[in-house]
Amino acid sequence: QSALTQPPSASGSPGQSVTISCTGTSSDVGGYNYVSWYQQHPGKAPKLMIYEVTKRPSGVPDRFSGSKSGNTASLTVSGLQTEDEAEYYCNSYAGSSNFVVFGGGTKLTVL
Amino acid sequence: QVQLQESGPGLVKPSQTLSLTCTVSSGSISVGGYFWSWLRQHPGKGLEWIGYIYYSGSTNYNVTLKSRLTISVDTSKNQFSLNLRSVTAADTAFYYCARSGSNGFFDNWGQGTLVTVSS
Repeated sequence: QSALTQPPSASGSPGQSVTISCTGTSSDVGGYNYVSWYQQHPGKAPKLMIYEVTKRPSGVPDRFSGSKSGNTASLTVSGLQTEDEAEYYCNSYAGSSNFVVFGGGTKLTVL
Repeated sequence: QVQLQESGPGLVKPSQTLSLTCTVSSGSISVGGYFWSWLRQHPGKGLEWIGYIYYSGSTNYNVTLKSRLTISVDTSKNQFSLNLRSVTAADTAFYYCARSGSNGFFDNWGQGTLVTVSS
């Protein structure tokens, strides 16, 4: 069982927006502004999409955005494209000893 | 940007030691401020952080694996390594090496390597 809770699946049609949640505790998501999101296509390594809750690495489309409220972080994908179909994982810093925890992943389907 | 590449046996027998090496290129492992991690992903499952090492040799391990785990670094070869002892079938997974900052986001990943534990 993963430390962070994500819905197992999400879906949307091309052009629509979808939001994926990531719920933790005050010891991880709620305690730090250090939530990141990763996209993983089948057979590939995860790719960093969002870090420090809202920041996008260079090259990540601005269709991807992040937010946080309390113990729950969210990833929003706007203007869905077929290539956005992938598994998405959240992770959070969890202190110097535990370092990081991950969510169980959300399979995003673009209908 | 920095590139990471895992290498090592794809098949390990139960009770033996799983050993993998991550070679870092297009950047130095000795640059301060970065932690060099191992993560794994059981087939069809989520990601699990295994542990990290700093270029100085200081380490931090996932408490669930700590008793079986050693991560080491060879700055002269720009490599870091994973040794996981007494493996079982439950250690069968894709193993990734990755770079992170101190706040836990992984910005560069290796392509991953599947390690199967089986006799």
